[in-house]
Amino acid sequence: NAGVTQTPKFQVLKTGQSMTLQCAQDMNHNSMYWYRQDPGMGLRLIYYSASEGTTDKGEVPNGYNVSRLNKREFSLRLESAAPSQTSVYFCASSDLMAVGGEAFFGQGTRLTVV
Amino acid sequence: QKEVEQNSGPLSVPEGAIASLNCTYSDRGSQSFFWYRQYSGKSPELIMSIYSNGDKEDGRFTAQLNKASQYVSLLIRDSQPSDSATYLCAPRSGSARQLTFGSGTQLTVLP
Repeated sequence: NAGVTQTPKFQVLKTGQSMTLQCAQDMNHNSMYWYRQDPGMGLRLIYYSASEGTTDKGEVPNGYNVSRLNKREFSLRLESAAPSQTSVYFCASSDLMAVGGEAFFGQGTRLTVV
Repeated sequence: QKEVEQNSGPLSVPEGAIASLNCTYSDRGSQSFFWYRQYSGKSPELIMSIYSNGDKEDGRFTAQLNKASQYVSLLIRDSQPSDSATYLCAPRSGSARQLTFGSGTQLTVLP
């Protein structure tokens, strides 16, 4: 049972390059999320998708775009990477219709922009 | 005012002691409350959830909720060095379509 799978695990980009972080879940969850985590800042929500076909901005959406490709997959794209986007990125999913609606996380992507 | 506030720590306790982690939240509509544990370099993992006022015990962990005071805590009894991690609090209101996390409390259990 894979849960939430993110690729890649590590990535180094040069300033201005673009890349897409991939996320897939096999728990049939309707909601998916992208967070970034910087030292001392906790988890900050970038974008989320409450259900297939919808996406919404979170706390720190600037410089990012997302695509909810289908119920399983939710990708995060950096069009022109900046050093300020150096961070650890986590994808998560949850079933908001279930009691609680707790989130389950992928293993993270450590991104460095030089 | 932050939506979810936690003592940032670091909090250090000796092995075998009780560690007490606190969290306050601003959304009075919050109905579900989660505690996640995050080891260094790893992703957060859910360790406790609580939905009603009072205490909920699971092994060495006890979650305490007081909705009137907008306060939730996590007690770790007989703390072990393997409990050393950052603990994240995440309340959720029924209408919320996403989870908001506190910045976490870093716990170190000293052998």
